[in-house]
Amino acid sequence: NAGVMQNPRHLVRRRGQEARLRCSPMKGHSHVYWYRQLPEEGLKFMVYLQKENIIDESGMPKERFSAEFPKEGPSILRIQQVVRGDSAAYFCASSPLGETYGYTFGSGTRLTVV
Amino acid sequence: QQPVQSPQAVILREGEDAVINCSSSKALYSVHWYRQKHGEAPVFLMILLKGGEQKGHEKISASFNEKKQQSSLYLTASQLSYSGTYFCGISRGNAGKSTFGDGTTLTVKP
Repeated sequence: NAGVMQNPRHLVRRRGQEARLRCSPMKGHSHVYWYRQLPEEGLKFMVYLQKENIIDESGMPKERFSAEFPKEGPSILRIQQVVRGDSAAYFCASSPLGETYGYTFGSGTRLTVV
Repeated sequence: QQPVQSPQAVILREGEDAVINCSSSKALYSVHWYRQKHGEAPVFLMILLKGGEQKGHEKISASFNEKKQQSSLYLTASQLSYSGTYFCGISRGNAGKSTFGDGTTLTVKP
């Protein structure tokens, strides 16, 4: 049973380009969460999704960031017109039924904006 | 609202014990604990849901106080492999996100 799959592992983008981060949850998990982590810092919540629905996006910056979890396919975190401050590790986590089970994290995508 | 973790960092010798605390100003639905090694993903350790609950095994265990505002992670007879950053995540409901503390960095030396 594959865990949470994130790709790419490393992504380099020039300022102004778009970054697309993908996350496939564990089989049987219907809840997906995205977190951002700066070096030597904690995990900051960005967005919580279920299939075809955004449940909580209170941690998402108002501009340039968007997320989706379509009926078919992985969840996508999209960052438009990236800036140097977007450089971070982005982790996706999934759980079967929300908070009762804890999260399984993916290996993360390390985004570097040059 | 973010939970407060303490201490920020701990340095131990192999075989020593450590306690990491996680506290909130309001009652929680759940608290869960993770360990993250440098450059890797956080790994789930355990989740506590009930006030007064204690969970885990003799080496790594956790408690949740009766008021459900504080949890402690106990690392007994530490091993080198215990080194990493420990995060607690808190939730105020069973259908929402978790908010994580800033982490406690544990270093176990031979």
